[in-house]
Amino acid sequence: ETGVTQSPTHLIKTRGQQVTLRCSSQSGHNTVSWYQQALGQGPQFIFQYYREEENGRGNFPPRFSGLQFPNYSSELNVNALELDDSALYLCASSPGTSRSNEQFFGPGTRLTVL
Amino acid sequence: AQKITQTQPGMFVQEKEAVTLDCTYDTSDPSYGLFWYKQPSSGEMIFLIYQGSYDQQNATEGRYSLNFQKARKSANLVISASQLGDSAMYFCAMREGTMLGGTSYGKLTFGQGTILTVHP
Repeated sequence: ETGVTQSPTHLIKTRGQQVTLRCSSQSGHNTVSWYQQALGQGPQFIFQYYREEENGRGNFPPRFSGLQFPNYSSELNVNALELDDSALYLCASSPGTSRSNEQFFGPGTRLTVL
Repeated sequence: AQKITQTQPGMFVQEKEAVTLDCTYDTSDPSYGLFWYKQPSSGEMIFLIYQGSYDQQNATEGRYSLNFQKARKSANLVISASQLGDSAMYFCAMREGTMLGGTSYGKLTFGQGTILTVHP
């Protein structure tokens, strides 16, 4: 059983560009969440996808959008990049069946916006 | 108001000793879950332990235990017999609500974290 994977591991973009980050959920997990972690801070919830639909969103503007595919892999898209978007982006999947709904995190994608 | 508060920016402990990392939380939801994660310098968040709001006993997972004091809204992590590999950032997090597929089901609210350094 493979864990949560994310690609790419590092990315450098310039202000105003668009970026797509990818996440492969752990096998059998139907819920995926994305988090943004600025340097020295705790992760902040961006949004959650359950069975291919967004069903929860944090305090992030609409230029942050996502998709979940039938195989439960997911994408995070960010348009019109700003310098403050520089952060570690974490994807987490969960089975939706365990009592704790433990979330399994990927290694993250470190995005730098210049 | 902060939902999760970790008041210790950094903690130091001698190898093989026990250490307690503090976490207080704020919620009006009667059903919630509390989590502790470890984040090494590599960046990956590693799940350590979970405590449900209705759990009668404190959670334990190997060397990790959670000192859950519901009335005080605290969920401190205790690491016994610290090891050098325990040096990392530790986050306390809360999930409010439990409904499968609900809007809050996957949302964790994290604290600011505590950097733990284990000395040999």
